[in-house]
Amino acid sequence: DAKTTQPNSMESNEEEPVHLPCNHSTISGTDYIHWYRQLPSQGPEYVIHGLTSNVNNRMASLAIAEDRKSSTLILHRATLRDAAVYYCILRGFGNEKLTFGTGTRLTIIP
Amino acid sequence: EAQVTQNPRYLITVTGKKLTVTCSQNMNHEYMSWYRQDPGLGLRQIYYSMNVEVTDKGDVPEGYKVSRKEKRNFPLILESPSPNQTSLYFCASSPLEEETQYFGPGTRLLVL
Repeated sequence: DAKTTQPNSMESNEEEPVHLPCNHSTISGTDYIHWYRQLPSQGPEYVIHGLTSNVNNRMASLAIAEDRKSSTLILHRATLRDAAVYYCILRGFGNEKLTFGTGTRLTIIP
Repeated sequence: EAQVTQNPRYLITVTGKKLTVTCSQNMNHEYMSWYRQDPGLGLRQIYYSMNVEVTDKGDVPEGYKVSRKEKRNFPLILESPSPNQTSLYFCASSPLEEETQYFGPGTRLLVL
């Protein structure tokens, strides 16, 4: 499986945007970029995914570099409930398996 | 409510005493999977199932068994638990060809 690299931790102020980076320089042409998050004492939760174009949903936006070697998860207005570990995962087309790294622990400062 | 449920949520047992952790989903999903989560190692896949009677090993299958006799259920069996199986376990499910996996709330297991 292609590998992703994320910062171990980040902090952000409440009600401000948060940009969570992910590097995936060995991504293949058929790999989708997925983001999951894990709130304290809960199972992982799907956030967003994309292939080449930027994506938006009610939770977040995903900005994908033109060469696809990096991506950024954007939380437009962080709340205290967004404090979690965020995982960037590459998933091959037709492959159900998710390979989790250690993710980025996001702390929101009130 | 669409959900993945796991039981028990917490379990303390002793080495060698067989145990089963149940996982059930009410969304008619074909794909189900078990993960374990350990500090510093993230989530690692134990076993997965693409449909009824179809199971396969993940990255860390040693010491575990699974079965898939019904679509909704995917129990994880530890025939002879050992202390290195102390961990937080998650079950997940998804429809095939869909991007989202749904995770259960987790089962925290302590093997003494």
